[in-house]
Amino acid sequence: DTAVSQTPKYLVTQMGNDKSIKCEQNLGHDTMYWYKQDSKKFLKIMFSYNNKELIINETVPNRFSPKSPDKAHLNLHINSLELGDSAVYFCASSQDGWAGTEAFFGQGTRLTVV
Amino acid sequence: GESVGLHLPTLSVQEGDNSIINCAYSNSASDYFIWYKQESGKGPQFIIDIRSNMDKRQGQRVTVLLNKTVKHLSLQIAATQPGDSAVYFCAENIPPPAGNKLTFGGGTRVLVKP
Repeated sequence: DTAVSQTPKYLVTQMGNDKSIKCEQNLGHDTMYWYKQDSKKFLKIMFSYNNKELIINETVPNRFSPKSPDKAHLNLHINSLELGDSAVYFCASSQDGWAGTEAFFGQGTRLTVV
Repeated sequence: GESVGLHLPTLSVQEGDNSIINCAYSNSASDYFIWYKQESGKGPQFIIDIRSNMDKRQGQRVTVLLNKTVKHLSLQIAATQPGDSAVYFCAENIPPPAGNKLTFGGGTRVLVKP
């Protein structure tokens, strides 16, 4: 009965590879997000989607492409992985992306690029 | 293991004492604020929130104070327990037209000494 679940939890891959992280929420929320947390614990928003529509794209390199097949899923595909992409990526969802409400976070995906 | 945020400010507190964590936010238009707790290896978890039309809100053992004049937020934890050891983040919601965006502060690590 996990509210926001993302897979995989750990991902180790070589530079130049393409990888995807999947996220699903069963809360019936309209808005989903991807956040990146660096080694200093700084959390930065990357994207947000409301009902499958992109709302926020925070000047993330276009190697990162989110895809939302339906409002319960927001996957993150990363092309040509670089060392600097190593971080923990968090998916989150909130009930109403236009009213300012609590965001629920997944457990994170630790991506290590070697 | 998880990488350590070596540059995180750290608050050491004796078990049973009260803790106060401070946060300066950046945007005077922010209308909603949340405190999150992040335990090792987990995603951020909601603790308490406050809207900009309030200056104080209390929960169970936690109180959030908002001073809009100086753009300052604080979280008070009463009778701190070992389970309160975690990294705490404040987040401000920047309203549309850019789309609601939860922007996180840098985090404070709380260490509870038995």
